[in-house]
Amino acid sequence: GQQLNQSPQSMFIQEGEDVSMNCTSSSIFNTWLWYKQDPGEGPVLLIALYKAGELTSNGRLTAQFGITRKDSFLNISASIPSDVGIYFCAGQLYGSEKLVFGKGTKLTVNP
Amino acid sequence: ETGVTQSPTHLIKTRGQQVTLRCSSQSGHNTVSWYQQALGQGPQFIFQYYREEENGRGNFPPRFSGLQFPNYSSELNVNALELDDSALYLCASSRPPPATDTQYFGPGTRLTVL
Repeated sequence: GQQLNQSPQSMFIQEGEDVSMNCTSSSIFNTWLWYKQDPGEGPVLLIALYKAGELTSNGRLTAQFGITRKDSFLNISASIPSDVGIYFCAGQLYGSEKLVFGKGTKLTVNP
Repeated sequence: ETGVTQSPTHLIKTRGQQVTLRCSSQSGHNTVSWYQQALGQGPQFIFQYYREEENGRGNFPPRFSGLQFPNYSSELNVNALELDDSALYLCASSRPPPATDTQYFGPGTRLTVL
């Protein structure tokens, strides 16, 4: 099935460091979403972006909707141990019923 | 928590059997989407239900079918189970199409096919 290109695949960082991950697509999207998933749980919505160029923050998280509408990035500042998990980007085209997901970025934070 | 609930939490079946998974949507949401998440992968769209009818389908065979009830809850049915059907099955609720809106996920049902 269709998937977005999400990178990096995994990250190992020290507590307090900043993190950046991104997502690219060959198709344009009208909505970009970032989710976090803990083991055995469903994805939890972190940030939703609805407009090209939009920059949105949620606490220590900041995400941007790329100008070309084909990419998005997520930054986490001053990481803490509870940031550990898998981060997924997802794109949605207006009027489409489905979300298209990346393969995820697995984040490990060393105390 | 999102308010989206799923049952059962875990399920073990054997090849050839049939399974039914259930989902209750978040209050105020009348659209339910189902996704399959294989180990190490992102979720893959199966189908969406709105007004008790299928409203879009991903690349899944007809043995994957669903229902939506008047209270907006939904079922996913899989017939003739195959080993590759082992996955986490997620449902997500949202407001009706075609509004560009966010989908909120439940905790998932872990299906193991032996």
